[in-house]
Amino acid sequence: NAGVTQTPKFRVLKTGQSMTLLCAQDMNHEYMYWYRQDPGMGLRLIHYSVGEGTTAKGEVPDGYNVSRLKKQNFLLGLESAAPSQTSVYFCASRGIMGNQPQHFGDGTRLSIL
Amino acid sequence: DQQVKQNSPSLSVQEGRISILNCDYTNSMFDYFLWYKKYPAEGPTFLISISSIKDKNEDGRFTVFLNKSAKHLSLHIVPSQPGDSAVYFCAAQKGSSNTGKLIFGQGTTLQVKP
Repeated sequence: NAGVTQTPKFRVLKTGQSMTLLCAQDMNHEYMYWYRQDPGMGLRLIHYSVGEGTTAKGEVPDGYNVSRLKKQNFLLGLESAAPSQTSVYFCASRGIMGNQPQHFGDGTRLSIL
Repeated sequence: DQQVKQNSPSLSVQEGRISILNCDYTNSMFDYFLWYKKYPAEGPTFLISISSIKDKNEDGRFTVFLNKSAKHLSLHIVPSQPGDSAVYFCAAQKGSSNTGKLIFGQGTTLQVKP
């Protein structure tokens, strides 16, 4: 009963490096989301997807790109990491019907030096 | 422009007493509200939700109250237990949303003392 799985769990990058965070869900959910959590800021939506092959910008999209090539996977990319992107990143998914909660992964803690 | 606000960063209560966590919102288009609980090094887990057609929803020790006229919701935990110590986030969804997007508050850290 995996739910939403995020890899890696921790990563340290140098400024200017690139990396991809992977989110995988096994609940056949249509909707997927990427958030970042910073102290005192709650969770802020970076990008989201309402289905395979579709993506859209959230509240704080700058410096990030995403792809949803397969329904179960949602990738978050940092092309040129900056110290301001040091954060904890959470992926979530939910089904399409009615009002229902989003289900979250356990997060990726990313530090940019 | 913070559409969902949790004005108390922290709350401390004694075991067995009631915990009341508050959340205010500004957008009258929100019609579905959720509470999530988060332990350190884990993702948020869904706790309880309420639709705007209701003013109360209960699930065991957890009750959420919604006051639409005041644009205010609260989470009551009775009785509080040490295992309830966590960060609690409220979140809101617009009724017109076909994307399921949520707006989160800043979170309130609850400490339940034995």
